[in-house]
Amino acid sequence: DTAVSQTPKYLVTQMGNDKSIKCEQNLGHDTMYWYKQDSKKFLKIMFSYNNKELIINETVPNRFSPKSPDKAHLNLHINSLELGDSAVYFCASSLSFLGYTFGSGTRLTVV
Amino acid sequence: KQEVTQIPAALSVPEGENLVLNCSFTDSAIYNLQWFRQDPGKGLTSLLLIQSSQREQTSGRLNASLDKSSGRSTLYIAASQPGDSATYLCDQNSGGSNYKLTFGKGTLLTVNP
Repeated sequence: DTAVSQTPKYLVTQMGNDKSIKCEQNLGHDTMYWYKQDSKKFLKIMFSYNNKELIINETVPNRFSPKSPDKAHLNLHINSLELGDSAVYFCASSLSFLGYTFGSGTRLTVV
Repeated sequence: KQEVTQIPAALSVPEGENLVLNCSFTDSAIYNLQWFRQDPGKGLTSLLLIQSSQREQTSGRLNASLDKSSGRSTLYIAASQPGDSATYLCDQNSGGSNYKLTFGKGTLLTVNP
C-alpha cells in the first residue's frame, strides 16, 4: 500500500562502484523527483521528471543519471561512487503542483 | 534565487505548551507552501498544504498560515505532546515551469514529558 516506495532502504558500497536506487509510485502522479539530504539534514533537489520528461536537472555530477521508464517509476543510477555521495536520497511525486508525497528514503553509505 | 528560512533551528518545550514555528521565503511568486515533519531516520510526512489563494489550513492540533505579502508562514501546534518531537520542514513551490520545491533547513522540535 506504500504510496512512494524506494529500494533499497540501505545501501553500503565501496568507492568506485556503480549502484542504482529504484522508486515507484502508485498514486497516479505525473511528476517525480529525486532529492538529496546531506549530513546537515539539508534537502536539495537533484532531478525532476514530468510525464517521463526531464524538467529539472540541478547542478549534479554527470555520474548521476536518472531514468524514467514510465510515469510511475524514476530510478537513479550512480557511477563511480565517491565518499561525498554518502547521504539519504529521497524520491517524491506530485500531481502537477499539488501536494508532494515522499518515499522513506535510501541511506547510501560509501566506504 | 529562492531561499526558505526557518526559525528557530531548534526548540525544546514542556508537554502541553502551545508553540509556533516560523518559515520565511524570498520568492513572492508562491504557488503553494507545504509543511512536513521528519522523524529521525525516516522520510517526510506531509502535514499541511496551503495554496497561494488560502490564508490558513488546519488539521487537528495543527494550524498553518500563509502571508504572501510578508513572505511568511507559521505552523502553530496546540497542546504539544512528546509524539510531536521531530524536525519540521517547510517548503515553497513557485509553480510555473519550475516543478521544484525549495526547502528550509528545518526546526528540530523536542517536547519533553
